[in-house]
Amino acid sequence: GAGVSQSPRYKVAKRGQDVALRCDPISGHVSLFWYQQALGQGPEFLTYFQNEAQLDKSGLPSDRFFAERPEGSVSTLKIQRTQQEDSAVYLCASSNRDRDTGELFFGEGSRLTVL
Amino acid sequence: KNQVEQSPQSLIILEGKNCTLQCNYTVSPFSNLRWYKQDTGRGPVSLTIMTFSENTKSNGRYTATLDADTKQSSLHITASQLSDSASYICVVSPFQGAQKLVFGQGTRLTINP
Repeated sequence: GAGVSQSPRYKVAKRGQDVALRCDPISGHVSLFWYQQALGQGPEFLTYFQNEAQLDKSGLPSDRFFAERPEGSVSTLKIQRTQQEDSAVYLCASSNRDRDTGELFFGEGSRLTVL
Repeated sequence: KNQVEQSPQSLIILEGKNCTLQCNYTVSPFSNLRWYKQDTGRGPVSLTIMTFSENTKSNGRYTATLDADTKQSSLHITASQLSDSASYICVVSPFQGAQKLVFGQGTRLTINP
């Protein structure tokens, strides 16, 4: 596609529900990143994929967070048993270079609100 | 402790005026420093990327400077327009080949007519 596409744009979940956020990166981009952005803050790193391999998941805040990119293109970030502190915008970014050496192209984000 | 500190936290100026946003960082060594513009409800968009050896880089009305000795960067916006209203985020890429960019908290800029 022309840009990084994320869905849903907005998600409201009740505490305890599971949610899945999707990222469709720019076609052919090797690297894919997930970030969490709290209101008024800069994005914080969650996890990084190089093709289908998850090379770094050190930013995932708990084992309730899980990400996958099984075919090296579309990625899904899953949050199990959501808590109120999970409320944030989840940004996906892709790059045609390894790691973050190249320019990152961000999607518009998925805003998650946990009630 | 935030390794990338931005100031001011927010700024309001009149349309047509110039402004300068500051970024101080402690990330060292680093490979590049970036400035992003983030409109409300949108993802960040890259404005400039400077390697550690570059002192300045321009993108239209945006000019970024970098002083690696003092670990400071600035983003200067000339002849501001209403569409410049956004958050501006300074981002540093560590040199260790790590995947993790270090983001500042951003400066919220509002341009008033």
